[in-house]
Amino acid sequence: GNSVTQMEGPVTLSEEAFLTINCTYTATGYPSLFWYVQYPGEGLQLLLKATKADDKGSNKGFEATYRKETTSFHLEKGSVQVSDSAVYFCALLYNQGGKLIFGQGTELSVKP
Amino acid sequence: GAGVSQSPRYKVAKRGQDVALRCDPISGHVSLFWYQQALGQGPEFLTYFQNEAQLDKSGLPSDRFFAERPEGSVSTLKIQRTQQEDSAVYLCASSLGGTAWETQYFGPGTRLLVL
Repeated sequence: GNSVTQMEGPVTLSEEAFLTINCTYTATGYPSLFWYVQYPGEGLQLLLKATKADDKGSNKGFEATYRKETTSFHLEKGSVQVSDSAVYFCALLYNQGGKLIFGQGTELSVKP
Repeated sequence: GAGVSQSPRYKVAKRGQDVALRCDPISGHVSLFWYQQALGQGPEFLTYFQNEAQLDKSGLPSDRFFAERPEGSVSTLKIQRTQQEDSAVYLCASSLGGTAWETQYFGPGTRLLVL
């Protein structure tokens, strides 16, 4: 079946460090891929998305490229800030009714 | 405009009680989704509505779980005879149209604790 696997957290970085959060997926066909972010005390927010192979989603300095050959959608940011501290969820959406399938989440903590 | 709202934000129930969780989607949004998020896990799909029609309820864990959206707007998730394993955050999301590719906007969730 369809599934998403993320690297385990927590990930602790210093401010201005480079961030990578790995995400791989298993799916039949060609799903759309998403990164959602959950800031402390807030609801899930869409961070970025990519709908087909080789697409790059980007937002707020974060980027992720849809790699069909490696079934991956790794999240990257060149220079993290304290305000990026949150839980990040990778998700896929298959074309059956809009059901999102989420990974388990990766907690990021950025220290000043 | 207002986002997705959910009420109550917190609910404590004794095992065996029935609970009802409400979701107000963004005005005009056709699609509505319910997800269950256990502590430390990602959200898991429960059910999906397009207007008032429940098109997918494959994620409902048992027949104690029931969802409705009678007028195609507000939705209620009802859990009968709650069990401790029902303790989780219940998330509601809505999207503008009926296509699978549209962005889902999430509410803040209802945190349910069953004692």
